Amino acid sequence: GAGVSQSPRYKVAKRGQDVALRCDPISGHVSLFWYQQALGQGPEFLTYFQNEAQLDKSGLPSDRFFAERPEGSVSTLKIQRTQQEDSAVYLCASSSGGQASYEQYFGPGTRLTVT
Amino acid sequence: KQEVTQIPAALSVPEGENLVLNCSFTDSAIYNLQWFRQDPGKGLTSLLLIQSSQREQTSGRLNASLDKSSGRSTLYIAASQPGDSATYLCAVRRIYNQGGKLIFGQGTELSVKP
Repeated sequence: GAGVSQSPRYKVAKRGQDVALRCDPISGHVSLFWYQQALGQGPEFLTYFQNEAQLDKSGLPSDRFFAERPEGSVSTLKIQRTQQEDSAVYLCASSSGGQASYEQYFGPGTRLTVT
Repeated sequence: KQEVTQIPAALSVPEGENLVLNCSFTDSAIYNLQWFRQDPGKGLTSLLLIQSSQREQTSGRLNASLDKSSGRSTLYIAASQPGDSATYLCAVRRIYNQGGKLIFGQGTELSVKP
């Protein structure tokens, strides 16, 4: 079946622009995670949804970052007034349950470059 | 705060060699540990998931061990092939994290030379 998909795959933004990154999880998956991966580093947690509820947003680096999942399926990560330090790969993952025992499946990521 | 460290950062070996990648974590209160593979420009592919009650998991030429009390895991790759070239990441889930967010190490970049 279809895996996690993300769009766009690549995004170039000028400093100060707003961007929106989309994640389509595996159909029926309850949990959805966003991670940020800087060049040469491991991914770092940003936020977590269980269905439409955002249960953990402790990893969002500033109030310029906002995520939503209004119908409990597709999620959008929005970054306002982008800065150069926002340049990274943004990974989305989903899992079929809401507990830590459920495996997370990752999408291919969106590479954001802020110029 | 849970910290995950991977050593070495990069490794280059000739084809056919057996190799070991290391992962250490500072807080032993983990739910499970997972090894991933990441190819350039791609997402993460799960290789092995070890629950906290387990000591090891095997899949084909891969074997992962877990010593929770010492905060260590190793990924053993037997008879390495050029197709194994990728970045390998380990990640842990802490017991009390809702939903089970993953905490990753920095990765080991493996190059297998033909």
